[in-house]
Amino acid sequence: QITLKESGPTLVKPTQTLTLTCTFSGFSLNTSGMGVGWIRQPPGKALEWLTLLYWNDDKYYSPSLKSRLTITKDTSKNLMVLTMTHMDPVDTGTYYCAHRTPYSGSWRYWGQGTQITVAS
Amino acid sequence: SYVLTQPPSVSVAPGQTATITCERNNIGSHSVHWYQQKPGQAPVLVVYDDGARPSGIPERFSGSNSGNTATLTISRVEVGDEADYYCQVWDYISDEFGGGTKLTVL
Repeated sequence: QITLKESGPTLVKPTQTLTLTCTFSGFSLNTSGMGVGWIRQPPGKALEWLTLLYWNDDKYYSPSLKSRLTITKDTSKNLMVLTMTHMDPVDTGTYYCAHRTPYSGSWRYWGQGTQITVAS
Repeated sequence: SYVLTQPPSVSVAPGQTATITCERNNIGSHSVHWYQQKPGQAPVLVVYDDGARPSGIPERFSGSNSGNTATLTISRVEVGDEADYYCQVWDYISDEFGGGTKLTVL
């Protein structure tokens, strides 16, 4: 059974850097085809993809946010970390980590999401 | 604005068929995935690779994709199907989600 869980601060000040951790179980990022990533959702708005990381360390970022995002993994601890610099109130929303369906472009398993508020 | 265009809302009576579209130039050349999201919950994958269903998703959910339009079809709609639905495409360098469609079951 695949599960994912996000953790990190709930409140971030403008201009600060957000660091979120996704801890997962039921699969290994050492396994061929495996991928994980982050998707966010502002209050009342649509889903927005942020980043994708594959087992072979291939990384993809949203073109509009690429300069602010970094995704890394620790396969020994079954976790991945998202950092997002220069946070702004418009970055407020729910941040989800998710598991990429192997050899498909879909997101099969999702974490419960973590609410991030950017305010001074 | 979104590259993937969805109608903001669709309404249907229980027992009827709901059709939700996702439009993009030449979307038929990409695999399309669909998610259901109920208030306060994480999205759930209901259709992937145009028309495949994950385990546990009822056969009432089906999908198709051709030309410039992908379609999610929900047959014999139930009150519990009321939710937001999102299409998603991977274009080999980035993901894209549609703006979402709110399905109301009258």
